[in-house]
Amino acid sequence: GQQVMQIPQYQHVQEGEDFTTYCNSSTTLSNIQWYKQRPGGHPVFLIQLVKSGEVKKQKRLTFQFGEAKKNSSLHITATQTTDVGTYFCAGNLGGAQKLVFGQGTRLTINP
Amino acid sequence: DTEVTQTPKHLVMGMTNKKSLKCEQHMGHRAMYWYKQKAKKPPELMFVYSYEKLSINESVPSRFSPECPNSSLLNLHLHALQPEDSALYLCASSRVWAGAYNEQFFGPGTRLTVL
Repeated sequence: GQQVMQIPQYQHVQEGEDFTTYCNSSTTLSNIQWYKQRPGGHPVFLIQLVKSGEVKKQKRLTFQFGEAKKNSSLHITATQTTDVGTYFCAGNLGGAQKLVFGQGTRLTINP
Repeated sequence: DTEVTQTPKHLVMGMTNKKSLKCEQHMGHRAMYWYKQKAKKPPELMFVYSYEKLSINESVPSRFSPECPNSSLLNLHLHALQPEDSALYLCASSRVWAGAYNEQFFGPGTRLTVL
């Protein structure tokens, strides 16, 4: 079936190090969204990317959408302990009216 | 008000019980969703309601029965569940715009345990 693949599954970093998670789809995405889920919490929307090659920044977070609209990345600069959680990408597959979530990347941070 | 509320927070039920999960939002969103999330897994879409009509059913077993009484409320009726149905059940809402759904606002979830 249609899938959105996300890597890595886990990432452990020292506080202050950078972090990147990658998302890939075998089919073109209408748009891609990123969510963060804290341990014991629920997914919280971070951002939506719609345009080919789009780059958006939120403070230390940088989001990119690939030119072919099949891949995306989230980069966090200088991680802080508040960044701990699982980051999910979620794609609207071409024409489909539903979100398909990637498997998520769980980020843990050593203070 | 950008909050989606869900009740109850926790639910323990036997396999012969009937129970209901409730979800409410007051953001004027006309799309509402039920997701199931197992531990360390992503949310898995179950149902989508658009303008109070069921628009997507992801081949969910009939022991799960959704209901959308009005534009603010979403229920999930549970009957004769199995232990493997134990999970976090998340409700979400969003705008419906140009045939594509925008960002989703998730509720805190109901943690369901089936004995």
